Amino acid sequence: SSELTQDPAVSVALGQTVRVTCQGDSLRTYYASWYQQKPGQAPVLVFYGKSNRPSGIPDRFSGSSSGNTASLTITGAQAEDEADYYCNSRDSSGNHLVFGGGTKLTVL
Amino acid sequence: EVQLVESGGGLVKPGGSLRLSCAASGFTFSSYSMNWVRQAPGKGLEWVSSISSSSSYIYYADSVKGRLTISRDNAKNSLYLQMNSLRAEDTAVYYCARVSTYYDFLTGHTVHYMDVWGKGTTVTVSS
Repeated sequence: SSELTQDPAVSVALGQTVRVTCQGDSLRTYYASWYQQKPGQAPVLVFYGKSNRPSGIPDRFSGSSSGNTASLTITGAQAEDEADYYCNSRDSSGNHLVFGGGTKLTVL
Repeated sequence: EVQLVESGGGLVKPGGSLRLSCAASGFTFSSYSMNWVRQAPGKGLEWVSSISSSSSYIYYADSVKGRLTISRDNAKNSLYLQMNSLRAEDTAVYYCARVSTYYDFLTGHTVHYMDVWGKGTTVTVSS
């Protein structure tokens, strides 16, 4: 399968921890990358590979992977973390990319 | 400053053509693969096409294969997307994105990620 599945929406209380997950067969072979997108803005890379966070991304963002599931964890969510989050990886061929459907994160 | 700036979007009739451009600056464009990614109104991100640094490898999503053509001019630090036989479902914001990579020794795979994105250009296909 070349699909990546995400929960459409997740909510978290301010300061609490939330995990956004992404499932797909290709994740057994390839790492995911994660993108944050706020309304009207371009996506921003927030985590990639096994354990890589781009410079400028707060260390409350972390990632993990197990089996067919990749996860993005926000530890101590802030109001500014409210956004859509997309996972991305390669499909089974390794040549095409696929995005998850996105998760809308609400910080309460 | 590392930057990608898309241009060329607009309103086009079904069956029409459009050419998008992406101007790169602040980095060695010729060293990076590039992607086009689009987002239809109110929808999620969709990968469209990839091109390697020397144009040796080119890939397309099934939804655009045969109608959209990716290319680049490393001398001009520019990426292009020629869009032909446009359909209403091609209406979207089109982003260009730089692809960075590293080799993961644990898995033996090269990890790809899109670390720089442009702000996008809007394509509307409507009669």
